[in-house]
Amino acid sequence: SQKIEQNSEALNIQEGKTATLTCNYTNYSPAYLQWYRQDPGRGPVFLLLIRENEKEKRKERLKVTFDTTLKQSLFHITASQPADSATYLCALVTPGANNLFFGTGTRLTVIP
Amino acid sequence: DTAVSQTPKYLVTQMGNDKSIKCEQNLGHDTMYWYKQDSKKFLKIMFSYNNKELIINETVPNRFSPKSPDKAHLNLHINSLELGDSAVYFCASSSMAGRGRGTEAFFGQGTRLTVV
Repeated sequence: SQKIEQNSEALNIQEGKTATLTCNYTNYSPAYLQWYRQDPGRGPVFLLLIRENEKEKRKERLKVTFDTTLKQSLFHITASQPADSATYLCALVTPGANNLFFGTGTRLTVIP
Repeated sequence: DTAVSQTPKYLVTQMGNDKSIKCEQNLGHDTMYWYKQDSKKFLKIMFSYNNKELIINETVPNRFSPKSPDKAHLNLHINSLELGDSAVYFCASSSMAGRGRGTEAFFGQGTRLTVV
């Protein structure tokens, strides 16, 4: 069966450290992988997109890697801040079909 | 201007009732979605519509039916509501055509449905 798993349901990290979140998928061949942030009581908000032929993408303090051999994406937040505390979701877009499937999410808490 | 708006934000109703949730997007996107987020916060896709054509329908009871009067709207109708339908429902839209394909999805603020 198809699965998108984010290894940690919850992750606590000290302010200033780098947070690393993992997204693993099985039985998908995604054309794109996206990362979203969701705050309590709100809808997810898009952060970054990485294509299957890209290894790494950066945006300010955020970095995403995509390894189609390992079927894994890593999401890094450097110099983490308490304001980064939220749930982070990875999502896959499959080629040829207009589907956007989400992972299980990781709730990140940055401790001051 | 709100990009994706859904109404109502809260909906409390009794078992057995029929209800609708409305969604509108003003982004010119060609694809709209409905997601259900349960108490464990997992976002499960229910439907997606591309150019008024239903293109996926996961294992969702047929009590749920999407209705798209035009490209900018995708409403969700739910018949004979059950306790297990209580969740937050999110509408979203994205562009799946041409160079915009695969780019970001925009979400509404969610509708918290409580069935009592």
